[in-house]
Amino acid sequence: GESVGLHLPTLSVQEGDNSIINCAYSNSASDYFIWYKQESGKGPQFIIDIRSNMDKRQGQRVTVLLNKTVKHLSLQIAATQPGDSAVYFCAEGALQTGANNLFFGTGTRLTVIP
Amino acid sequence: KAGVTQTPRYLIKTRGQQVTLSCSPISGHRSVSWYQQTPGQGLQFLFEYFSETQRNKGNFPGRFSGRQFSNSRSEMNVSTLELGDSALYLCASSSSGTSGAGSGELFFGEGSRLTVL
Repeated sequence: GESVGLHLPTLSVQEGDNSIINCAYSNSASDYFIWYKQESGKGPQFIIDIRSNMDKRQGQRVTVLLNKTVKHLSLQIAATQPGDSAVYFCAEGALQTGANNLFFGTGTRLTVIP
Repeated sequence: KAGVTQTPRYLIKTRGQQVTLSCSPISGHRSVSWYQQTPGQGLQFLFEYFSETQRNKGNFPGRFSGRQFSNSRSEMNVSTLELGDSALYLCASSSSGTSGAGSGELFFGEGSRLTVL
């Protein structure tokens, strides 16, 4: 039968506005979370990470929030710029197990409207 | 500092053939992981190598294999190619150590886009 692609959530924002991208994770044992940005034709690029002993971490124009109670992760981008247009992936890992592999979400396509 | 380098960037194969992809990690990184990215399944973990040993493996058939050399460079091989193997194959390196927790952050290459006809 015909394969169906993943339904990629989309988010459109006006340039200069703030963006919030959400992600639900599934593994209670995950202790490490990371956001990647992937532009067309390129590999994923690290944005920001957070460990499970924290609930908030800030970078340059980006903030990651972690709510372990409801297994929810969000990425906030301040003053969104056209160069922020890309697909954003959240990923989870269990570093305490020694494993170095990450499990990725389906991604969210962010489009910034000039 | 050079990033992760993958070759070839694009290749076309036919069903039944085999393919070898190469990855050079960031200098000093000893962990190399491989991921498959498709529109249908997203990013899926294939395997991870550290110090020439496969340390972790995803849920892929035995047609998918890999190896790592003493200089940390890695190759992955897919034998008896199927149409469904068409994908972007991404290599990532990290500074993961020999013991304790993994290091977390993975640095990805640009990928090798494989098309199987």
